[in-house]
Order: sequence, then structure tokens, then C-alpha cells
Amino acid sequence: DAKTTQPNSMESNEEEPVHLPCNHSTISGTDYIHWYRQLPSQGPEYVIHGLTSNVNNRMASLAIAEDRKSSTLILHRATLRDAAVYYCILRDSAGSQGNLIFGKGTKLSVKP
Amino acid sequence: EPEVTQTPSHQVTQMGQEVILRCVPISNHLYFYWYRQILGQKVEFLVSFYNNEISEKSEIFDDQFSVERPDGSNFTLKIRSTKLEDSAMYFCASRWGAASNQPQHFGDGTRLSIL
Repeated sequence: DAKTTQPNSMESNEEEPVHLPCNHSTISGTDYIHWYRQLPSQGPEYVIHGLTSNVNNRMASLAIAEDRKSSTLILHRATLRDAAVYYCILRDSAGSQGNLIFGKGTKLSVKP
Repeated sequence: EPEVTQTPSHQVTQMGQEVILRCVPISNHLYFYWYRQILGQKVEFLVSFYNNEISEKSEIFDDQFSVERPDGSNFTLKIRSTKLEDSAMYFCASRWGAASNQPQHFGDGTRLSIL
């Protein structure tokens, strides 16, 4: 799987938007960009994924650069419950059995 | 919403003893996984399982580890002779299909403490 680079930590204020960046300059044309998060004392949780176009779901939005070498996870209004470690992971559509390779992620702190 | 459930939430075992961690994946899912996370470290892939056999395994998954889906609902991870360094959170995950856009759904883990 291609490597991703994320900041170690970010801070946000409650009810403000949060933009979590991810660089993946070696992404291949068949790699999907997945985001997961891990709340304290819980297992990882799927957030969103995309291939080329920007994506929205009830949890977040994913903005993908035109050259696909970077992406940004957008939380539109951060809540205290969004404090977690966020992981950006690439999954090859031609890959085998789908095991995820987790990096260190970005630890998001949300201040009231 | 369907969930992956794991039992027990916390397991304390003496070094050298066998331990079995249990998982009930989401019912119509076909692909199953175990991961572990040592305290303060990254989540690490252990093994994937499909069609009643191991699909892939990492270097961590040595001969002391085994997986089984004995009855079509449970998915178990067995560690035959536990070591201190096996202390970690163990997460089970499942997903419905093989396509790389299919998300994995994780349980909340079993904390394994080896004494």
C-alpha cells in the first residue's frame, strides 16, 4: 500500500470546521482514499472514502486534490465527541484481501 | 445498525496459558480480520480470513496464533502459549465484499493483559 503522511496532532474549537490534511504523493490510479478514526478506548471506525471526486456523508466530507496526491477530511462543525485519532489509508482496488495498514494518524483535540 | 461484537472486553491470563478471543462479525459479511494495538502504538494487522481459510497474515501472526470460524457466526483468535509481549488490545473487523471501496467494521476490542 502507498504511504500517507499526516500531521501528528491538531487542535480545534468546538463548533468550528476542522480540515485534516493527508499527503499521498505516491498514490496509484487504482488506490481508494479511506479515512477511519479511533475514539479513546474504542476500535477504529470508518468515516469516509473516495477515489477521484469529492465525497460527502453524514459524518464528514472528503476533498481530493485534482492530482490525487493529497486529500482533506472536513468535519463541518467539530464536537467534543470528534476528539479522536484520524487515519488516512490508501486501499488498492487491485489489492488482495483488504487488510488495512494504519499509520500514526492525526490526533485531533477539540476544545469547548 | 449492525455491529461487530467482541468478548470478553478484558482478559487477564498468566504467561504461558492459552487464550481465546471471540468475535461475532456482522451477519452477512464475508471477510474477517484481526488486528492488535499495543498500548501507545499503531494498530497492526494480524490476519485476514475468507471462505474458511486464512487469506493473508502478518509476521506477527506466528505459529502461536490461530483463527477459526467454528459455527458460521463466531470468529475466534487463539494464542496458544501467551507471552508478556502479547499484552495489547485485539480488534476484530469484518466487511461485506472484496472491493477496495468496501469499509471494514471494527469491534471495540478485547484488552488482553498477560501477567
